Formats: sequence, structure tokens, C-alpha cells
Amino acid sequence: KQEVTQIPAALSVPEGENLVLNCSFTDSAIYNLQWFRQDPGKGLTSLLLIQSSQREQTSGRLNASLDKSSGRSTLYIAASQPGDSATYLCAVMGDGGATNKLIFGTGTLLAVQP
Amino acid sequence: GAVVSQHPSRVICKSGTSVKIECRSLDFQATTMFWYRQFPKKSLMLMATSNEGSKATYEQGVEKDKFLINHASLTLSTLTVTSAHPEDSSFYICSAGRATYEQYFGPGTRLTVT
Repeated sequence: KQEVTQIPAALSVPEGENLVLNCSFTDSAIYNLQWFRQDPGKGLTSLLLIQSSQREQTSGRLNASLDKSSGRSTLYIAASQPGDSATYLCAVMGDGGATNKLIFGTGTLLAVQP
Repeated sequence: GAVVSQHPSRVICKSGTSVKIECRSLDFQATTMFWYRQFPKKSLMLMATSNEGSKATYEQGVEKDKFLINHASLTLSTLTVTSAHPEDSSFYICSAGRATYEQYFGPGTRLTVT
């Protein structure tokens, strides 16, 4: 059974700092891994999607890496801003069958202090 | 493209009543829709997977008679919480699959049972 864990559970940093969020998964047989952002009481916003054959994806100040063999992914946020404050979730999609489920991690609550 | 809506966004109901939540894919046909539940400050937990025209597949521990799912068309899936109780209060999020490996999320529905 796939299990996804995120460390740290919560993080508070001053504005301008670079930071790294971690995601680990137990079963390396994944099709892709996605990072989402969730603001309080809101739905999910997809940030980056990495296919299993890829090593990293970049979008603006965000960079996500994937090491499938070791079951790890990181989300790097450069020059953090107060607007980055949110909960960040990673999710993995299994590689088997026509209906692939997303298994979500436990989330990291990020607070960027102005 | 790939917009998913949910209705209502918030609902308050009395204990013992039933509540229906709709999930619609607005600009694409979704052969598969997923329903998630999120407890406060927790991650998303997959409840069930529904395919158009067939019975939903429920995850272990989810009562199918409690959470009725209907996927009557390629653009609409409904989740009905029957005989709701305060412990059913939660944030419910749906997602719609446009292709086998793509999912797009709705904005969520906040259910409060008094």
C-alpha cells in the first residue's frame, strides 16, 4: 500500500528565504508525482507535475525534483513571499490500471513572515 | 480548459437529513470522477472512484450506503451524504479525469452538520 509522507509538517520562514519541502513515498511504481497548493478553506491548485521518467520540473520560482528509485521528491521555493503562505501537498499516481488514484501526502503548512 | 465545479460550496444541514453535492466537469468529458474528504488540517483521503454508468468503487472503510455516489453522465457526478451526523462534517473535494493520468480538482464543498 502506497504511503506518502511530507516533512516538515509546518514551516515558518522570513520573507526572501529559499526553502525546501520534502515528500517521500513507499512504493516507487508511480506514474507521476504532483505538487499542489491549498489555501485555507479552498480547493487545490496544481503547481508542478513530474512524470516518472523526469527528474525535475520548474515553474517560475518553483522547482520540483523527483528521485523515483529512492522514493523522494522535493519542492524548492526561491525568494519566498508572504503570498506563498499556504499548505503544500504532494500526491503520487500509481502506475497500473485504467483508473489511477492519487495518494496524497500529509501536507506542509508554510507561513512566510513579512 | 479543464474546469471542474462543485455545488454547493457550503452547506449546513441538521442531523438526520441527507445532503447532495454535485461535481461537474464544465468543458470536458470525464469518464472517471473521484471523491475526497478532508478533515481540518489533514490531507485528502480518497473516498471512492466513480465511472460513468457503473457503480462506484469505494475505498476501504468508507460506507457505501452512507455516501451514495452517482455518475449519471460524462460531466456530472453526485455525492449524497445520507442521514448526516455531526461527524460527517468535513470538506469534500471532487476531481475529474480527462485522460487516464490527468485529474482536475473542484473547489470543494464545506459540509457542516448541526
